[in-house]
Parts: sequence; structure tokens; C-alpha cells
Amino acid sequence: DVKVTQSSRYLVKRTGEKVFLECVQDMDHENMFWYRQDPGLGLRLIYFSYDVKMKEKGDIPEGYSVSREKKERFSLILESASTNQTSMYLCASSLLAGNEQFFGPGTRLTVL
Amino acid sequence: QQPVQSPQAVILREGEDAVINCSSSKALYSVHWYRQKHGEAPVFLMILLKGGEQKGHDKISASFNEKKQQSSLYLTASQLSYSGTYFCGTENNNNDMRFGAGTRLTVKP
Repeated sequence: DVKVTQSSRYLVKRTGEKVFLECVQDMDHENMFWYRQDPGLGLRLIYFSYDVKMKEKGDIPEGYSVSREKKERFSLILESASTNQTSMYLCASSLLAGNEQFFGPGTRLTVL
Repeated sequence: QQPVQSPQAVILREGEDAVINCSSSKALYSVHWYRQKHGEAPVFLMILLKGGEQKGHDKISASFNEKKQQSSLYLTASQLSYSGTYFCGTENNNNDMRFGAGTRLTVKP
């Protein structure tokens, strides 16, 4: 079974802190995604990557950056956390474009 | 760029049917359907790749009208286990996925 793990289930940070959210998948998937989930807004794509060191912006990349140095790991970085980044963050991976996505358990981030 | 889902929420009794719609303003390559139960990650249900294609998964099926850029998810004879939030995900030729805002389905005994 594909397993997608995220570094933390819950995280509390202060405004202005640099925040790292880590995602690891164990099935050699090419594509990895970061979404944020807010009530009434569904899953919004922040960034995605289709290869190591490659990244593409999604719909809401402002205030975020990503890193993919190894195929199995995709990191989401909040350079200077703000209260409006309080949300649930979901990572997903897929073997190839168009294949089903496997989601991690999510990280609920609270920025105070 | 997010597809539009309707309705936003629906409440059913066990055994009743429901339809969830998903539409996009952009040409679509594929449509995905996922279900998320409370406190859990979304789980894949099915992918539709061809225009007019219908797929089934137990008593849950879906259609994809490529020309109209629409997909519908059909839940027949609903069970308590069907409760959750359903998301459609649409993919265009750029190979990136966009999800709708979700439809919250509640099945009551």
C-alpha cells in the first residue's frame, strides 16, 4: 500500500516564524502536491512537483515556497507565517499525471 | 480554476439516491472523485478519462460529459457509510489537479 506521511498532525507557530511542513511518500511516485483545506473552500492547490527539483505554482502560492531535493520528499515552507495561513495542509502523491492521488493525514497548522 | 460542485450539502435517509454535479469552465482531460470522512484524508473513488464514460464502484457510479465539461456522481440506495464530503478533481492538459469546494453528504438511519 502507498503510504504518504506528514511530519506533524498538529503544529502551533507564532506570526513571523519560518515553518517547514514535510511530506514523504514511499512508492516512488513522480508527482507530489501540497493543498490547503479550509471550510467551504475545498482543497486549493498551493504547489506541485512532477520531478525532483521541479516545481509548479498552483492557485495560491503567495507566502509559500517548496523544495523537492529527493523524489520521495516534498517540503512546504512558510517563510514568515501569518495568521491567515492557519489551515489544514494536505500532501498528496501520484505515480504519474492523471493517476489517482494518495493523501497524507494532514497537518493542522495554527499561527498565533 | 476550481471546478464548481453542487449541491453544497445534501441530507438523505438510508436507501435514498443522490446526485452530485461538478462543472468546469476549462476543457477537461479527466475527472477524479474522492470521498473524505470527518478527520480523515480524502480517499480515491474513481477516475473518468473519456467523454461520456461511466464508471461504477459498488452502488456509486459517475459519468463524464467532455463536451459540457461536466461530471456527475450517482449514489444509489445510500448507506450510512456513504456519509462524508465528496470532492471532484479536474485535470486539464497541464496535468495539474484542481478540486471543487466539496459536497457534504449526510445519510441518516
